[in-house]
Amino acid sequence: KAGVTQTPRYLIKTRGQQVTLSCSPISGHRSVSWYQQTPGQGLQFLFEYFSETQRNKGNFPGRFSGRQFSNSRSEMNVSTLELGDSALYLCASSLANRGYSPLHFGNGTRLTVT
Amino acid sequence: GIQVEQSPPDLILQEGANSTLRCNFSDSVNNLQWFHQNPWGQLINLFYIPSGTKQNGRLSATTVATERYSLLYISSSQTTDSGVYFCAPGGYQKVTFGIGTKLQVIP
Repeated sequence: KAGVTQTPRYLIKTRGQQVTLSCSPISGHRSVSWYQQTPGQGLQFLFEYFSETQRNKGNFPGRFSGRQFSNSRSEMNVSTLELGDSALYLCASSLANRGYSPLHFGNGTRLTVT
Repeated sequence: GIQVEQSPPDLILQEGANSTLRCNFSDSVNNLQWFHQNPWGQLINLFYIPSGTKQNGRLSATTVATERYSLLYISSSQTTDSGVYFCAPGGYQKVTFGIGTKLQVIP
């Protein structure tokens, strides 16, 4: 079974630009969540989607948005990039519906904003 | 939100040594996971353990939900165990990560 796939692996953008990151979950997983990892703040929850609906959102500005498609693939978008958005962005998928199930992470997208 | 404290923050072990990592959390939770992030950044789920004890090879974990803590035991450590270990308690749709324990196993 293929794992969680994130594309691209690396990205370099300029301040003010926008970026879209993609995540394909493990087959059969309908929940996709996104995390930002930085040396200063650690791993922080961005948002979680299930069946194309955002069910929970972390404390990030509105420049961070996401969506999920009918095939459970998810994208996150960051508009008007700032230097502080440089981070490793991790996507995780799980079976979670009404119960609880483990998170499985992709390899991440490393975003550098210059 | 849930506050998570992990200790120790840093740990250096000689290969073959045993260790215990601790995670305290501030609120009752419905699930708790332990992850290992290797030096290449890959996060691997080690245990999904809302309560009780589980073992997987040289690793085992215990969560005492009523006392709001979890322990991760590493026995006979190997250099491949190096990396950062995260505790992640959570509710239904959101998981909160601790700052992690950075482990270095030296040969």
